[in-house]
Amino acid sequence: DAMVIQNPRYQVTQFGKPVTLSCSQTLNHNVMYWYQQKSSQAPKLLFHYYDKDFNNEADTPDNFQSRRPNTSFCFLDIRSPGLGDAAMYLCATSRVPQGVQGGRSEQYFGPGTRLTVT
Amino acid sequence: GENVEQHPSTLSVQEGDSAVIKCTYSDSASNYFPWYKQELGKRPQLIIDIRSNVGEKKDQRIAVTLNKTAKHFSLHITETQPEDSAVYFCAARGSGNQFYFGTGTSLTVIP
Repeated sequence: DAMVIQNPRYQVTQFGKPVTLSCSQTLNHNVMYWYQQKSSQAPKLLFHYYDKDFNNEADTPDNFQSRRPNTSFCFLDIRSPGLGDAAMYLCATSRVPQGVQGGRSEQYFGPGTRLTVT
Repeated sequence: GENVEQHPSTLSVQEGDSAVIKCTYSDSASNYFPWYKQELGKRPQLIIDIRSNVGEKKDQRIAVTLNKTAKHFSLHITETQPEDSAVYFCAARGSGNQFYFGTGTSLTVIP
């Protein structure tokens, strides 16, 4: 019954050691998002994929990369995690019909991956 | 990009009273405005949303109003209950399918 799945739920990595977070979806949605949420803050959009088109936010550090090998999967790679990258990482999906403006494109969130950097 | 502001940052109300949270946005092309409830350690949960061609929407105790001209939208919760206590986020979807979140409101309903 799970719709947006994130693995692992908890990840501990060492300072500077690359880490990959995984997101998969069973909804066949064409848009997938990655957010970073630090304690007591709002989710901050890092980037999103519209189908295969990658859209980076202007203030997303180069340390963060993403891959979407197919419709179902999306990965977040943190090349050299710093202590400031410790956060909850949320994946979300939505279906945006082509050519439709103003539609209701609800986001479905995964449970998140809590990243700790030691 | 879009800039979403949200007020107040904290709100305490007595059980049974109403709560109102307000947001403004900057991008006139934004066309979809969801509200999320987030409990500690959990994912954001959509509670109500509104499209840009609608001025008001209601779902039981929750309502959202949108003023496109002024670029602000508000969440209204009536007859608040202790289980309504959580952090609430507004968001706006920009013209490029991105969602931008407000800074959040921590709502406490006092029994």
